[in-house]
Formats: sequence, C-alpha cells, structure tokens
Amino acid sequence: AQSVTQLGSHVSVSEGALVLLRCNYSSSVPPYLFWYVQYPNQGLQLLLKYTSAATLVKGINGFEAEFKKSETSFHLTKPSAHMSDAAEYFCAVSDTLGNQGGKLIFGQGTELSVKP
Amino acid sequence: GAGVSQSPSNKVTEKGKDVELRCDPISGHTALYWYRQRLGQGLEFLIYFQGNSAPDKSGLPSDRFSAERTGESVSTLTIQRTQQEDSAVYLCASSVRDSGNTIYFGEGSWLTVV
Repeated sequence: AQSVTQLGSHVSVSEGALVLLRCNYSSSVPPYLFWYVQYPNQGLQLLLKYTSAATLVKGINGFEAEFKKSETSFHLTKPSAHMSDAAEYFCAVSDTLGNQGGKLIFGQGTELSVKP
Repeated sequence: GAGVSQSPSNKVTEKGKDVELRCDPISGHTALYWYRQRLGQGLEFLIYFQGNSAPDKSGLPSDRFSAERTGESVSTLTIQRTQQEDSAVYLCASSVRDSGNTIYFGEGSWLTVV
C-alpha cells in the first residue's frame, strides 16, 4: 500500500524567504511522486513530478523537489517566496507498475501563507 | 475543450435527493479518475476508469455512490439519497494512460447538501 505524509498542515514564511514543504512517502514499489498546487476556489495544477529520471526535479514558478530514496522523502523548495505562492500544496504518490491504474494517493495538504 | 470540464460547478441539493455530476475529460485521455475533497482536507480517491471499465472502485464510500463512463469519454458520478456528509468538492481528472503520466484535474463540482 502507498501513503503520503505531509509534515505541517500550515507553513508561514516571509516574502523572499526560503520555502520548504515536507513530504514523506511509503511505497512497496518504486514510486512516481508529484506536487500539485491548489489556489483558492480552483482545481489542482501540477507543479512537478518525479518519474525515476533525475532525482532533482524542477517545476513551474521556481519550485523544485528532490527525491531521496534513503529518506523516502520528496520535499518541495523554492529559494525565495512570492506573495502569489500562497496556496494549498499537495504531495502525491502513484505506483510505477500500473497495478493501481496510476491513481494518485494524496497527502493531507500544506497551506502556505506568505507574509509581506 | 482544452482541459477537463466538470458540471455543474456548484450544486445545492436537499438531503435525500439524488445528484449527478458530469465530467468531460481531455480528448484522447483513456484514464479517468474521481476524487472527493471535503472542506480543509486532502483528496480522497473514489474510482478509476480505464476506457469504459472501472478496475478500481475501492474509494466509493457507500453503495449510494456509483459512476459510469461511456464512449471512453464522458463520466457521470451519481450520489443517491444524499446526506449532509456528502457535501464536498468532487474533482474529476484524466490522463493519457496510467502510471506516471500527468493527471490533469478539472475545477470540480461543489456539492452542498442542506
């Protein structure tokens, strides 16, 4: 079975500060990993995904995430927060073997607030 | 259209009524997913379609929930005898194939049961 744990339901940073959103996964098979962002009253938008190529993945809006197998982590970072980054962020895992149809298992989400 | 389209965008219904939520996936996407998002919570997987078949219905919360897909395109999620705990955003998503391909989400159908 697969699962995702996002540490911290709410993270607050100052504008210009480093953003670090934590995600740990559990998977019995090599995983695919994803970060999605959800702005208020909108659907989910893919930020980036890891599919067993490079372990450091760069996404949109200056975000990146590093896959660390030894730590079963896929933390999301951005060097300098912008006010427009305020949103809900979801980490998700799917299996690589197609046994579960590629469905995503989501974490509970982390709400990012950016203070001026 | 270019993206996943869902209708209605908002629905208020009385407890005990049936509701149907519609999803139009991106053209050519064979995989289709339904998720539920309760207020302030994460996304719960409901059901997955590959073509018109649903190999994984494990997330449907009760027998009041059902879904179908026709023409390897449109899908309908039906909730019978709605209860207040069914109030949530119901998100549909699609992808080209399964496993590792980007899953694209619609903007959701906001259901309120009063």
